[in-house]
Amino acid sequence: DADVTQTPRNRITKTGKRIMLECSQTKGHDRMYWYRQDPGLGLRLIYYSFDVKDINKGEISDGYSVSRQAQAKFSLSLESAIPNQTALYFCATSDKTGTDEKLFFGSGTQLSVL
Amino acid sequence: AQKVTQAQTEISVVEKEDVTLDCVYETRDTTYYLFWYKQPPSGELVFLIRRNSFDEQNEISGRYSWNFQKSTSSFNFTITASQVVDSAVYFCALSEKGGSEKLVFGKGTKLTVNP
Repeated sequence: DADVTQTPRNRITKTGKRIMLECSQTKGHDRMYWYRQDPGLGLRLIYYSFDVKDINKGEISDGYSVSRQAQAKFSLSLESAIPNQTALYFCATSDKTGTDEKLFFGSGTQLSVL
Repeated sequence: AQKVTQAQTEISVVEKEDVTLDCVYETRDTTYYLFWYKQPPSGELVFLIRRNSFDEQNEISGRYSWNFQKSTSSFNFTITASQVVDSAVYFCALSEKGGSEKLVFGKGTKLTVNP
């Protein structure tokens, strides 16, 4: 089983709909992240969380919200989806011990907003 | 502000060729960390290497090698004797002070290795 699991893998929705992307991890990491990837633009950080009570906005948080339900779960919501939110979304975790920090990614969720 | 530039959008090589993926970065910090991630066709990003700004030693891992040069602000990645399984999008990333919340990715280089 994957250490970082994202559901669903693919989702098609309509403009104005509310949608939630879920992420769960079995790595025991405190830190979790949501990124979006657009063709030719690399990855951009949407939100991140250092623990259950700590939520922070990333570079492109407008139009998104998150919930850290438990150490292992971090969900991303689009309250009212719009077409330019069509992208590949990645959840990631990290365990910053000392100065050694690297990200572990889920397999991604391809979201299409029509 | 920090920035990562991967000027090569796509590269295509024939199997067994050597290939170098370029990465140029900008930062005002003296302490920073550079990363390479691989995204194969399956989509999941995989960590390849992390290098801090105080360690300019080149690194070799099997067919992979990395050349870090502070003088030119570059952290280039070379694959020797490329294989079809190396086909992927490769991302270079920069983090000031090491925190992943500060990680900035380049736009990626798509490498295609043809048989």
